[in-house]
Amino acid sequence: GDSVTQMEGPVTLSEEAFLTINCTYTATGYPSLFWYVQYPGEGLQLLLKATKADDKGSNKGFEATYRKETTSFHLEKGSVQVSDSAVYFCALTLIQGAQKLVFGQGTRLTINP
Amino acid sequence: DAMVIQNPRYQVTQFGKPVTLSCSQTLNHNVMYWYQQKSSQAPKLLFHYYDKDFNNEADTPDNFQSRRPNTSFCFLDIRSPGLGDAAMYLCATSRGGLDRNYGYTFGSGTRLTVV
Repeated sequence: GDSVTQMEGPVTLSEEAFLTINCTYTATGYPSLFWYVQYPGEGLQLLLKATKADDKGSNKGFEATYRKETTSFHLEKGSVQVSDSAVYFCALTLIQGAQKLVFGQGTRLTINP
Repeated sequence: DAMVIQNPRYQVTQFGKPVTLSCSQTLNHNVMYWYQQKSSQAPKLLFHYYDKDFNNEADTPDNFQSRRPNTSFCFLDIRSPGLGDAAMYLCATSRGGLDRNYGYTFGSGTRLTVV
């Protein structure tokens, strides 16, 4: 079945450090890929998305590139801030029917000042 | 702004007492979903409505049911909440179908506490 695997957390970094959170997927079709962010006590917010191979999604300094050859969608940011502390979820959906989201297990990120 | 609104934000219910959570949308999306999320785990899909068609996930307990009286509203009913049902419940919507540039929008969630 379709699945998403994220690097295990938690991840702790210092402010201004470089961030990478790895995400790989398995899908029977041709998915769209997403990163969602969840701040403490909040719902999920879409951070960025990519709908076809080689697309780069970007938002708020975060980037991720849809790599079909390696079935990956790694999240990167060049210089993290304390306000980036949250849980990050990689997800996919197949573009058909109800487009159900399949989530990775989430990675908790803590940025220390 | 078009959005997905969940009420209430926090809900406390007694063990075994039926509870209903609500979700409304102004996006006119075809699909409405209910997810259960425990302790920063990945959200788990309970069921979804594609227009009026109800689709239950295979492992969703019978204790959970849903209603969608119209396009804008969807309800999650927990018939006899147990302590294990304490979680954040997330409502989401999407256009569905073959639209690759769709919007999949989440509400802010309802945190359910069972006492």
